[in-house]
Amino acid sequence: GQNIDQPTEMTATEGAIVQINCTYQTSGFNGLFWYQQHAGEAPTFLSYNVLDGLEEKGRFSSFLSRSKGYSYLLLKELQMKDSASYLCAVRAGNNRKLIWGLGTSLAVNP
Amino acid sequence: GAGVSQSPRYKVAKRGQDVALRCDPISGHVSLFWYQQALGQGPEFLTYFQNEAQLDKSGLPSDRFFAERPEGSVSTLKIQRTQQEDSAVYLCASSLGRGDNEQFFGPGTRLTVL
Repeated sequence: GQNIDQPTEMTATEGAIVQINCTYQTSGFNGLFWYQQHAGEAPTFLSYNVLDGLEEKGRFSSFLSRSKGYSYLLLKELQMKDSASYLCAVRAGNNRKLIWGLGTSLAVNP
Repeated sequence: GAGVSQSPRYKVAKRGQDVALRCDPISGHVSLFWYQQALGQGPEFLTYFQNEAQLDKSGLPSDRFFAERPEGSVSTLKIQRTQQEDSAVYLCASSLGRGDNEQFFGPGTRLTVL
């Protein structure tokens, strides 16, 4: 079967760095995605990893280790507006559909 | 705007009613997805279209759920004989090509079944 695990909640301080982990079990891995979702809004795309290593995009970076079934999203210089749910999603095989984790609710405090 | 739009934004239905939810994807986007998201959960895949072809409907929870995209652009998700467990936000997303990675989401339709 397919399974995605990520922490339910995290708290961090404005200006700090936070790492949100995601572990997955799937057959035919074909990419891992991170999305951000503010309360009551639609998810918005943050990053995509299909090869091992780190992808950096501004304050956000995403890392993938396929052998370990592990990814993390790193958020630097946290801002209050970063308070949101962060969703990890995996694509398996040639199917276009994504399997989603439950999301990690991040609260950024002043 | 040029984003994905969905209507209605909110829908309240009595149990047993039929509902139709509409999605207007970004113009020219080949792929269209429907997801169901319960409160505090991640989205759950329902179905996927490539142009007008419904290539995957494995996520539709029952035969009361039906989706179509007859002309390869606008899509409608229909739920017949709604039940309370159908209450959720229904998200539509589109992506440019078959192999495109980024999905652009609409604002969702919040369905409440009483």
